[in-house]
Amino acid sequence: GESVGLHLPTLSVQEGDNSIINCAYSNSASDYFIWYKQESGKGPQFIIDIRSNMDKRQGQRVTVLLNKTVKHLSLQIAATQPGDSAVYFCAEKEETSGSRLTFGEGTQLTVNP
Amino acid sequence: GAGVSQSPSNKVTEKGKDVELRCDPISGHTALYWYRQSLGQGLEFLIYFQGNSAPDKSGLPSDRFSAERTGGSVSTLTIQRTQQEDSAVYLCASSSMGRNEQYFGPGTRLTVT
Repeated sequence: GESVGLHLPTLSVQEGDNSIINCAYSNSASDYFIWYKQESGKGPQFIIDIRSNMDKRQGQRVTVLLNKTVKHLSLQIAATQPGDSAVYFCAEKEETSGSRLTFGEGTQLTVNP
Repeated sequence: GAGVSQSPSNKVTEKGKDVELRCDPISGHTALYWYRQSLGQGLEFLIYFQGNSAPDKSGLPSDRFSAERTGGSVSTLTIQRTQQEDSAVYLCASSSMGRNEQYFGPGTRLTVT
């Protein structure tokens, strides 16, 4: 399953499928990007990050892709599990803004058993 | 090790009253951030502390909001004369020197009646 930027805030997939969550950013000066997972009633949990000098980074079951040309970021989750159900936020940082992160609106991922 | 902790977890207050929210960052983390999250929304930056430097207060929405960080560790966010639009989850995060990833606490859910 795949979401389309911030205009489709929900994504529903079947357990075992791969999920793709997309994020568009507007600041071409951003040099660091990060994905967070937020479960209901909890604070955001770090998933994976990527610097602007990279276009791909892999973690455990997750991959982040960065396309600076079109200012697009995606999070791919392999073999999605019910425990992956949460809201996923992308965030960006611009060097001149210090360490402030600017967050997107989030995508609600629902994994159906 | 212990993560970021926040207290109280929930706060209900009457309009016009002052509230104080507390954040204990991860031990050794030099940077501390406050964000606000309204229902179903992304995170809005409020204020950022880094070591002994002057804080970045550019995200505070009004002069009713203030924050301090004592001894480079614990931080308190104060909202004076609370309004109903202040109702939100207030999240605190910390990061270590030279690192971009921020680690979040569970948040304080503030309800102004």
